[in-house]
Amino acid sequence: AQSVSQHNHHVILSEAASLELGCNYSYGGTVNLFWYVQYPGQHLQLLLKYFSGDPLVKGIKGFEAEFIKSKFSFNLRKPSVQWSDTAEYFCASRGEGGKLIFGQGTELSVKP
Amino acid sequence: DAGVIQSPRHEVTEMGQEVTLRCKPISGHDYLFWYRQTMMRGLELLIYFNNNVPIDDSGMPEDRFSAKMPNASFSTLKIQPSEPRDSAVYFCASSTGTSNTEAFFGQGTRLTVV
Repeated sequence: AQSVSQHNHHVILSEAASLELGCNYSYGGTVNLFWYVQYPGQHLQLLLKYFSGDPLVKGIKGFEAEFIKSKFSFNLRKPSVQWSDTAEYFCASRGEGGKLIFGQGTELSVKP
Repeated sequence: DAGVIQSPRHEVTEMGQEVTLRCKPISGHDYLFWYRQTMMRGLELLIYFNNNVPIDDSGMPEDRFSAKMPNASFSTLKIQPSEPRDSAVYFCASSTGTSNTEAFFGQGTRLTVV
């Protein structure tokens, strides 16, 4: 069955700290992976996506993610976070039938 | 394109009343998704459509919930009768017809059932 799991529910960092948010997926077929961000009071917006090819994917606002097939993981990273990165982050997978499901979300709080 | 449009943005209703949430997907998109977001459960997929046909409604919590897509440019999510535990933000999203494309989200409808 298709599923997505995010390891951390709430992460608190100081500005300039490095960020890594964990995501594991489960799906037997071809899977396409996404990271979305939701700023307070807003809708979800796409940060980056992976379909195939280079497992290191770069997205907007300095975010990147690495697809590791052997670990069924797609972790999100940023070398240096800013206060404006405070938001909730969602990992998602989309299977061959088009079904798009999300992990539980990780709330990131960045202290200035 | 104006993006995915949801209405109303906010809805406050009394328990037992019927509630209808509306969504207009991006033109040309043939997948439409309805999600519910709560603090306790996160972002849950309720139902999704492909070419106006419901593909998977296994996430619909119970018979009080129903969704329709009468044409490619309009979908509704109805709750009848509504209960306080239905209070949540409901998002609609649409995408094109290939799995390697992202979905675009509407602004959501914040539903409060008192």
